[in-house]
Formats: sequence, structure tokens, C-alpha cells
Amino acid sequence: KAGVTQTPRYLIKTRGQQVTLSCSPISGHRSVSWYQQTPGQGLQFLFEYFSETQRNKGNFPGRFSGRQFSNSRSEMNVSTLELGDSALYLCASSPTWKLAGESKNIQYFGAGTRLSVL
Amino acid sequence: QKEVEQDPGPLSVPEGAIVSLNCTYSNSAFQYFMWYRQYSRKGPELLMYTYSSGNKEDGRFTAQVDKSSKYISLFIRDSQPSDSATYLCAMSVGSYKLIFGSGTRLLVRP
Repeated sequence: KAGVTQTPRYLIKTRGQQVTLSCSPISGHRSVSWYQQTPGQGLQFLFEYFSETQRNKGNFPGRFSGRQFSNSRSEMNVSTLELGDSALYLCASSPTWKLAGESKNIQYFGAGTRLSVL
Repeated sequence: QKEVEQDPGPLSVPEGAIVSLNCTYSNSAFQYFMWYRQYSRKGPELLMYTYSSGNKEDGRFTAQVDKSSKYISLFIRDSQPSDSATYLCAMSVGSYKLIFGSGTRLLVRP
């Protein structure tokens, strides 16, 4: 079974530009979450999508947005890039099932897209 | 104060040693506890998953959750050089928003 696939793996952009990152979840997974990883702040939650709807959102400015398609693939967009947006952007997918009343939200991560803003 | 605290290390041990990694947290609503391993330039890989309190064992790895103390641990037995990586604890209240520790860098010396 293929894992979470993120494209592109590396991106270099300049300040003020916008960027779109793509994520294909594990087959059958309907929940997709996005995280930003930086040396200073660690891994921080951006948002989570399920069935094309954003269910959870982290504390990031409106320049960060996302969407999910009917096939569960997801994209995130960052507009008006700033130097501080340089980071590893990680996508995670999760199956949604209940087992004996317990809802499991195990998340499987992709390799990430490393964004450098110059 | 961060919701999840984790010693960044680095932690250097000889091959074969027992490694103990820990996280403390402040939010008593956390119910799901995970440990991820991240190699350089790779995404986090899920190692252990625990719901609520208790112990869980998988091969050389044991995860412990003590909700009364708000403390979780990961033990690695018979550590190998291939275990050298950054170990991240993560937890959630049940939504799909994971709160991560800052990660502990582990180096296992041959």
C-alpha cells in the first residue's frame, strides 16, 4: 500500500510569491492534516480536512489555506510568502474508524515539502 | 509554558543500552498519546500509539502513559545505531489536531 505522497519535495520561492503544495493520502484515508515544522517552533498544526470540509484549524494567519478534493487529495496554499514561512510542510492522513467505542486518529505522515523563501 | 514539554537532548548512548525518552504535558484532556521517530530529511514515522493510561509493548519499544502525573515515556531496549533519530511525542484530545513535543535527538554509538 502506497504511503502519503507529497509533491514537490523541494521548493524555492521569493518573498511576496504564493505557493501550492499537494498531498495524496493513503488509499482509503479520508482525513488529511497539514503541519509546519521549523527548528524554532517544532511541528505545528495548520488544519485538517475531512470529506472536503475543514474540521480543525490551527493558529496560523489567513495567508495559509487549504482544500480537499472528492478523492481525498489535498492542497495547501500560502499567499504573500514571508521569510518566516521557510519550513518543512508535512501532510498526514488518517483512517477514521471506531473500535470498541474508541475513535482512533492515528496519523501517517508523508516525507514533506521543504519550502525555502528567499 | 508549552502544552507539551520534551527535553531536546541530544542523548548519546552506547549500542545495546536501554533508552528512556520522556514528555510532560499540562492539558489533562489529552487522551491519545503517540511516539514518532523522524530521521533527517524524512517525515515522522509512527512508532507507538496509546489510548488513555497504561503500558504498551511492541518489540524493543515500550510506551507508558501516566495520566495522574501527566507524564509519558518511551523505552527502547537493546538500542541500535539505526535507532539514531529524533523522537517526537504527540498527543491529542480526540480531534485530529496533534500537539507535538519539540523532539529529542538520540545518538546510539556503535
